[in-house]
This record gives sequence, C-alpha cells and structure tokens, in this order.
Amino acid sequence: LAKTTQPISMDSYEGQEVNITCSHNNIATNDYITWYQQFPSQGPRFIIQGYKTKVTNEVASLFIPADRKSSTLSLPRVSLSDTAVYYCLVGDLLNAGNNRKLIWGLGTSLAVNP
Amino acid sequence: DVKVTQSSRYLVKRTGEKVFLECVQDMDHENMFWYRQDPGLGLRLIYFSYDVKMKEKGDIPEGYSVSREKKERFSLILESASTNQTSMYLCASSLQQGANGYTFGSGTRLTVV
Repeated sequence: LAKTTQPISMDSYEGQEVNITCSHNNIATNDYITWYQQFPSQGPRFIIQGYKTKVTNEVASLFIPADRKSSTLSLPRVSLSDTAVYYCLVGDLLNAGNNRKLIWGLGTSLAVNP
Repeated sequence: DVKVTQSSRYLVKRTGEKVFLECVQDMDHENMFWYRQDPGLGLRLIYFSYDVKMKEKGDIPEGYSVSREKKERFSLILESASTNQTSMYLCASSLQQGANGYTFGSGTRLTVV
C-alpha cells in the first residue's frame, strides 16, 4: 500500500507562492493523487486531482514527476483565507472495491501571515 | 454544488447508548463513506458503500455498523457507544469513478461520556 508523507506545518506570507510536497514512494499504477483543504470544524474540500505531469485549475496547480513518487501542490499568491490544513490522498479511485486502500496523509498545517 | 448534509454538528451520548449518525447527499452519487478524524491519526475509513444495500468495511469497522437503504442516505450506527469513539465523524460521497474526489459533509463531533 502507498504511504503518504507530508510536512506537518508550513508558514508563508500573503502574496507568496506556497508549494506543499507529498511523498508517496509506493504509489501503484492505478493510483491517483488528490489534494484537499480543511478549515476548522469543517469537512475537507476537494482542491485538485491528477495522475501524472501537471494539472492546473482556478485555485491551484499539481505537479507530478515522471516517477510519480511525490507530488507538489502549488498555491499561487496565498491570502490569509488560505490558512488551513492541506491533505494529500493517494489511491485507486476508479475501482470501488479499492476505496478501502486509499491512503490519507496526516496533513500540512499552512499558516499565512500578513 | 453537491451537498452532503450530516444531521448533527455536535452530539453528546452516554456510554452504552446506541447512536445513529445520518448523512444525506443530493447529487445522485454512487459512493458514500464514513470517516473518523482524530488528532495525530488523520482520517480513517470506517465503512463505505458503492450501491444501495451494499457496504464494505474500511480500516476500523469494529464497534460500528452502517445502513444504506436509499441511494442518497448513509447511516452510521454505534451499537454501544464507548468513550474511545469520541471523535469527529465525517461523511463523504463521490461519483462511481471518483472523478473530482470526495465531497464531505461538515462533520459531527461526537462526545461519549
């Protein structure tokens, strides 16, 4: 099973770009990488998902190298409201029976300072 | 937007009580999940369901059961609540093939005393 490792915490300032890396050395061929954001007293919220190379949406980019053993969530020009915990999730999302094998990271607590 | 609604934000129950946590989603998602979230342990999957009346054990099913009688509703049952089941419980749903990941509810913080 894939195991995911993320930094426990990060600090940044408003307007900076923040990159959070997740390590998943044992990622399997069918595994996707998904990132979530969680605010206190709320459920995690989907940010972005990818399989390889680069994916970009309106809020973030996801960089996945060719070996897929890590991934980097990039948040451009963060604001105070981006202060949250960010989770990396690795697993095969295409096969319902594999849902039990999805591996969550323990989360990276990002603090954005004025 | 997909909405996942959990019936209670906060619950306090006594040891030994039978506890029902209800979850409803409004976007016709096939998959539904129950997680618990504890500090230092992250999110752990309790049970999931990929169809009506279907259920699969997750990583920590002991002490829990689930019911999915209708596609939109997934209930988590604590047969006899214990203090070690004090936690944040999160319900989620997703499309069959997981595109765009999970949509989570706001969570139920359960305290067992």
